[in-house]
Amino acid sequence: DIQMTQSPSTLSASVGDRVTITCRASQSISNWLAWYQQKPGKAPKLLIQRASNLETGVPSRFSGSRSGTEFTLTISSLHPDDFASYYCQQYDTYWTFGQGTRVDIK
Amino acid sequence: QVQLVQSGAEVKKPGASVKLSCKASGYTFTSFAIHWVRQAPGHGLEWMGWLNTANGDTKFSQHFQGRVTLTRDTTANTAYMEVTSLTSEDTAVYYCARDANSGDWGQGTLVTVSS
Repeated sequence: DIQMTQSPSTLSASVGDRVTITCRASQSISNWLAWYQQKPGKAPKLLIQRASNLETGVPSRFSGSRSGTEFTLTISSLHPDDFASYYCQQYDTYWTFGQGTRVDIK
Repeated sequence: QVQLVQSGAEVKKPGASVKLSCKASGYTFTSFAIHWVRQAPGHGLEWMGWLNTANGDTKFSQHFQGRVTLTRDTTANTAYMEVTSLTSEDTAVYYCARDANSGDWGQGTLVTVSS
């Protein structure tokens, strides 16, 4: 099974900060990587698919990139609405999620 | 528009079973598989299994193999998940999601296991 290692588990940041979350796959998954945002009591919301393709309606401050089996989600300038949990997900072979990153207010 | 509507909250005793439903609309049900994902309180997302809605084939995470059954009713455009031998550790929100990488998820079903 493909394992996804996501870091950090918690991130404290301020409005306006640049935030980076990393996910590493245990084997090659090509670009079959998605990023989700989740707020308490809500289903996850898809932000990015195929490693770097922004979903329609997602602000351009979100971006995704890939280097080999390492994937990065970047929020260029944190907005108040961005304080939430974020998950990476591989969908090369069924699904696997990273452990999640909670972004909270410093 | 695509919708996945899940059944309501359940309260079960330890050792019992629960069967959840996920009714799809807005697309051809048998054209996309359905995944099931669990989220225990305060924890992350955990993939449970996958159902081929066209032929009924299934695949499970090792953690759930043998305790989870996935089925579907193509006439009702509905997928089902049954979990047996429930323990308190199965208390969680259970989500269904369409295998289309389009972010189509159900609203979740809370299952509480308590004596």
